[in-house]
Amino acid sequence: GAVVSQHPSWVICKSGTSVKIECRSLDFQATTMFWYRQFPKKSLMLMATSNEGSKATYEQGVEKDKFLINHASLTLSTLTVTSAHPEDSSFYICSARRTEISYEQYFGPGTRLTVT
Amino acid sequence: KNQVEQSPQSLIILEGKNCTLQCNYTVSPFSNLRWYKQDTGRGPVSLTIMTFSENTKSNGRYTATLDADTKQSSLHITASQLSDSASYICVVSGGGATNKLIFGTGTLLAVQP
Repeated sequence: GAVVSQHPSWVICKSGTSVKIECRSLDFQATTMFWYRQFPKKSLMLMATSNEGSKATYEQGVEKDKFLINHASLTLSTLTVTSAHPEDSSFYICSARRTEISYEQYFGPGTRLTVT
Repeated sequence: KNQVEQSPQSLIILEGKNCTLQCNYTVSPFSNLRWYKQDTGRGPVSLTIMTFSENTKSNGRYTATLDADTKQSSLHITASQLSDSASYICVVSGGGATNKLIFGTGTLLAVQP
């Protein structure tokens, strides 16, 4: 149990276009999901906390207008990278926190975004 | 400042050998400490999670220890296999309403035949 999926697993897009990444908890409900980005050989950096039915909380330095987060249901959160630029190329990972077990987070497999 | 430091940064061992990875943290308040395994190009997978009162926890060939007094943890891998080659990340949760995770930079382990 506790499986988190991401779609797509990798995406290549042109500079200036927008890309949507989905994060789903497949077998549990998650009131809270988290979005991270990871650069090569670096640790995960929290971008934002996504709460079902309310606005996401963004970390300092993360542009909320550029990284749009929607958590419309207890099993789905989406991250949209708007007007993508090459410096947005990174590995994006989501995690989901089970509603009934507040401290455990389960990570998705990640999405590799390359902006050309 | 809340920090999680890991050592060594990288490690090469021969298949079948044991190894121990270290984690020191300065996180307060402390809720729990986790060890994750992250294969290249994949998301982290949980190995162990320990709360303040737990000193050791095992998951197959992985054994984690926690000394909350000295704020140190270790991950011991027994009888290493080629598939153990990955990055091992120590993560500390500071608790509170958001349970924000503080990530170490990881130890890159390479197991060679």
